[in-house]
Amino acid sequence: QTVVTQEPSFSVSPGGTVTLTCGLSSGSVSSSYYPSWYQQTPGQAPRTLIYSTNTRSSGVPDRFSGSILGNKAALTITGAQADDESDYYCVLYLGSAIGVFGGGTKLTVL
Amino acid sequence: LLLQESGPGLVKPSETLSLTCTVSGGSVNSDSYYWAWIRQPPGKGLECIGSIHYSGTTYYTSSLKSRVTISVDTSKNQFSLKLSPVTAADTAVFYCATLGSSTWNFDYWGQGTLVTVSS
Repeated sequence: QTVVTQEPSFSVSPGGTVTLTCGLSSGSVSSSYYPSWYQQTPGQAPRTLIYSTNTRSSGVPDRFSGSILGNKAALTITGAQADDESDYYCVLYLGSAIGVFGGGTKLTVL
Repeated sequence: LLLQESGPGLVKPSETLSLTCTVSGGSVNSDSYYWAWIRQPPGKGLECIGSIHYSGTTYYTSSLKSRVTISVDTSKNQFSLKLSPVTAADTAVFYCATLGSSTWNFDYWGQGTLVTVSS
């Protein structure tokens, strides 16, 4: 069974840049997997940040960007702020109207 | 588009977990979306349980396929989840969400509802 992989945790300094990645246990991620990214703070439903690899959802600041880097999807946060400290999840579409979540990355801003 | 989950917050082991998602501001009779259920055990990650098209076609994640039923009621603008039988491992926050049929992302989410499996 294909697993979607993410870094379990990451840290970034305020004002810094961080890139989180989303891979596959076997194979490379491409735009044909429609990578999407979600931000979740404790007790809240996830919020869509990026869909279709690099399209920002409505109201998402432009310091969040998505791309394909090598064989993975990537979420880059430029100029990290304290309230970016959250859990981040990627989803890859592997077919059959099921989106598969990665395990999530806990981002610390300090 | 607004989604709201409803259902019991406590279910006994071996019984059936039943949740309903009421859609407002849009129609479940839409080719733009599939209607999905996602769960999140306490302190853990998100898992897509499955989805349904308004035509009634269902899609389930393989690990839960034998225990899950998702249905849609177009007259009430709702879709539902049944999971049976449940164990304590099924304790989770359950979210209903839309899965875009061309973008394949979960764009609209309910607020989530905690279901605890305990005797």
